Amino acid sequence: DGGITQSPKYLFRKEGQNVTLSCEQNLNHDAMYWYRQDPGQGLRLIYYSQIVNDFQKGDIAEGYSVSREKKESFPLTVTSAQKNPTAFYLCASATGGEQYFGPGTRLTVT
Amino acid sequence: DAKTTQPTSMDCAEGRAANLPCNHSTISGNEYVYWYRQIHSQGPQYIIHGLKNNETNEMASLIITEDRKSSTLILPHATLRDTAVYYCIVRVDYRSGAGSYQLTFGKGTKLSVIP
Repeated sequence: DGGITQSPKYLFRKEGQNVTLSCEQNLNHDAMYWYRQDPGQGLRLIYYSQIVNDFQKGDIAEGYSVSREKKESFPLTVTSAQKNPTAFYLCASATGGEQYFGPGTRLTVT
Repeated sequence: DAKTTQPTSMDCAEGRAANLPCNHSTISGNEYVYWYRQIHSQGPQYIIHGLKNNETNEMASLIITEDRKSSTLILPHATLRDTAVYYCIVRVDYRSGAGSYQLTFGKGTKLSVIP
């Protein structure tokens, strides 16, 4: 099946630890995105990548880092510098008019 | 960026048409209107998009006013599975190339389909 995979679905970490969220797609899409969603809110763009080895900051990039070494993969690292990391994280990919979203990872930091 | 305004919530009877309005009075001539929906704790699902003309697909119809300052998403026969948050979004292209655009999600409209 073609699609976007995010793992794990739920993730728990202690404060002060870095954590990496996985995002993989087999849709052969060039562009990939990371969004953050807080309860009752819309999605906010963290980082995006249009091609391999290139990525740009979105609206709320502080405390996050990404890499795009392969077309299929766009992992997101939530660093200890992110002040409020607990949130629902969504990855998406696009090749034209539509963005396709993964199922999301719910990160809880205590 | 063009911003959108949507009602916070709406109810619709099962089997009836659901009409979800959206205002985007500052939209530019080359900006598209997109609609997505998000069922609780899942990733958003693409519904439809348009520029100037009305659009229809297997999920919904999109009606855009002639001045492009507002649009309406129509679900012709709402079912309980259509209960979700519906987002109206104006697409902003930041550079040329496939996928090179940003979607800014507001809070959307929470649609509740009532049996």
